[in-house]
Amino acid sequence: DIQMTQSPSSLTASVGDRITITCRASQTINTYLNWYQQKPGKAPKFLIYAVSTLQSGVPSRFSGSGSGTEFTLTISSLQPEDFGTYYCQQSYNVPFTFGQGTKLEI
Amino acid sequence: QVQLVQSGAEVKKPGASVKVSCKASEYTFTQYDINWVRQAPGQGLEWMGYMSPNSGTTRYAQKFQGRITFTRDTSTSTAYMELSSLRSEDTAVYYCTRGTRDRVSQYYFDYWGQGTLVTVSS
Repeated sequence: DIQMTQSPSSLTASVGDRITITCRASQTINTYLNWYQQKPGKAPKFLIYAVSTLQSGVPSRFSGSGSGTEFTLTISSLQPEDFGTYYCQQSYNVPFTFGQGTKLEI
Repeated sequence: QVQLVQSGAEVKKPGASVKVSCKASEYTFTQYDINWVRQAPGQGLEWMGYMSPNSGTTRYAQKFQGRITFTRDTSTSTAYMELSSLRSEDTAVYYCTRGTRDRVSQYYFDYWGQGTLVTVSS
C-alpha cells in the first residue's frame, strides 16, 4: 500500500498568513493527488485534484503543486473559514490512501 | 445539486452486522463509482472500497476482506455497505462518496454523504 505522510500534523496561523502543508507519498504517484478539507462534525469537502486543479467554487487562494512523491497545498491569504483539517489522498492505485491530516487553527 | 443521503445512526453489539444505505440523487447513479470511507473518533480517513453501480464490480480494502459487502439497487439509486462481525474498533462515522474519473483518468471523491455513525458496544 502507498503510505501518505503529511506535515505538519497541526498548524496555528493568523488571518492573512500564507501557509503550506506538505504531503509525501511512499512511492511515486505521478499527479494522482487530491486534497480535502474537513470541518468538525462534517463530511470532507473536495478541494483540489490532479495536484493543482481546483474544484469548481474553491477560492483561488488555494493552490497545489508537486509531482512524483512530494506535494504541497498552499493557502495564500488565510481566511477565518479556512480552519479545519486538511487531508491529501492518492488515487494512483488501490487502496486509495489518505494522509493522516493536518489540523489548521486560526 | 448532486446529493448523497445516508441512513441514520446505528448502535450494534459486538459480533453483529450493520448495513448502511446511501441514496444518490441529481445525477445518473450508474455512471459513477460509490466509495466508502470511514473515520474513527478523533482519527483520520480510511478508504474501505468501492463499487461500480453499473456493473456491480466491487473492490475492497484488504483489511475488510471477508467482512464487508457492497450492494446496490439501481431502481432507487441506492448503494449499501454491510459490515459484519463488528468489534469495538469498528465504531466510526461511515461515509459514502462519489468517485469520479475524468478524461485523463484522474480519480477523486467529489461528493460525500453526511456520514453515518456506527457505534459498537456491548
